Amino acid sequence: GAGVSQSPSNKVTEKGKDVELRCDPISGHTALYWYRQSLGQGLEFLIYFQGNSAPDKSGLPSDRFSAERTGGSVSTLTIQRTQQEDSAVYLCASRKTSGGPYNEQFFGPGTRLTVL
Amino acid sequence: AQSVTQPDIHITVSEGASLELRCNYSYGATPYLFWYVQSPGQGLQLLLKYFSGDTLVQGIKGFEAEFKRSQSSFNLRKPSVHWSDAAEYFCAVAPQDSWGKLQFGAGTQVVVTP
Repeated sequence: GAGVSQSPSNKVTEKGKDVELRCDPISGHTALYWYRQSLGQGLEFLIYFQGNSAPDKSGLPSDRFSAERTGGSVSTLTIQRTQQEDSAVYLCASRKTSGGPYNEQFFGPGTRLTVL
Repeated sequence: AQSVTQPDIHITVSEGASLELRCNYSYGATPYLFWYVQSPGQGLQLLLKYFSGDTLVQGIKGFEAEFKRSQSSFNLRKPSVHWSDAAEYFCAVAPQDSWGKLQFGAGTQVVVTP
């Protein structure tokens, strides 16, 4: 079946603009995660959605970052008033939570964001 | 503070030689442990994971890892490296109450020479 997909694959924007990054998880996966991979910070957790529960936003670096997940499926990560330090690869992962603890997280190919 | 450490930023190994990548963690209780690989232009792929039980874990692509509680380590090994193993390898942990939120090490870049 299809894996996790993300769009766009690349995004170049100007400082101060807002951007939206999209993630389509694997069908049936109720858990969805966003991570960021940057040269300075490595791979870091941003936000976690589980079903219809309130998301765990503990990893979001500032209030310019927000995310939503509609209908328990597609998720959008929004960065407002982008800064150069937001330049990174944004990775989405999904996982099914039934059947046992810590089923594998499947990662998408990522969106490379460049803020000029 | 909770942390995951991969001491080696870069390792060069000859094709056919053995490979060992180190990972140490610092957590109050043993977390769930993972190794991921990221090849150029590819997404992160899970190699293996440890939750409990047998401390020697077999994974895909001929990799294995050994959990050592006394050393807080989860080192990855491969007996004979292939050129296609050139990639970046990440150790990751998820505390047992974290709902799967992964904390990653800094990664080890593996270069394979002929």
